[in-house]
Amino acid sequence: GQNIDQPTEMTATEGAIVQINCTYQTSGFNGLFWYQQHAGEAPTFLSYNVLDGLEEKGRFSSFLSRSKGYSYLLLKELQMKDSASYLCAPLVNNDMRFGAGTRLTVK
Amino acid sequence: DVKVTQSSRYLVKRTGEKVFLECVQDMDHENMFWYRQDPGLGLRLIYFSYDVKMKEKGDIPEGYSVSREKKERFSLILESASTNQTSMYLCASSPPDRDLHQPQHFGDGTRLSIL
Repeated sequence: GQNIDQPTEMTATEGAIVQINCTYQTSGFNGLFWYQQHAGEAPTFLSYNVLDGLEEKGRFSSFLSRSKGYSYLLLKELQMKDSASYLCAPLVNNDMRFGAGTRLTVK
Repeated sequence: DVKVTQSSRYLVKRTGEKVFLECVQDMDHENMFWYRQDPGLGLRLIYFSYDVKMKEKGDIPEGYSVSREKKERFSLILESASTNQTSMYLCASSPPDRDLHQPQHFGDGTRLSIL
């Protein structure tokens, strides 16, 4: 079966750095996506990792360790507009499997 | 930009009704998906389609069916709506499987309430 774990809620201060972790236990792993979803809106694509290591994209970075079944999303210089849910989604064979999401509140 | 359009943002139906949720994408994507999103459960895949007239069951297909008569349109059908189908429904599309790194693009969702 598939098991994807990420914290339910996190709170951080404007201007700070926050790291959202995701652990997964899946077979047929082909990479991992991170999505951002503001309340009442569609999820939007943030990043995709297929190899181990850190991918940086502006204020957002995503890290993957395939051997540990672990990923994190790093958000720097937090802004109020970053308040949203962040969805971890391993790609299992050809299908995305979503975690329940982490609701981030920036104060 | 990819545009995925769902026909309704909010929909209220009664138990036992047949309900149609429509989704249209304008990027000629082969793959289309229907999810439902519930608090604490994340997005769960109901059905997906890799091409016209093709459909595959996802994780929770019971109580649902789908139709893909045209490439751009993917319909989700609740044959006889029940209260436990009250949820947010999200449609998504993506290019073919050979582009595994291509993300899915989501519509704005339909919040369906079954009374």
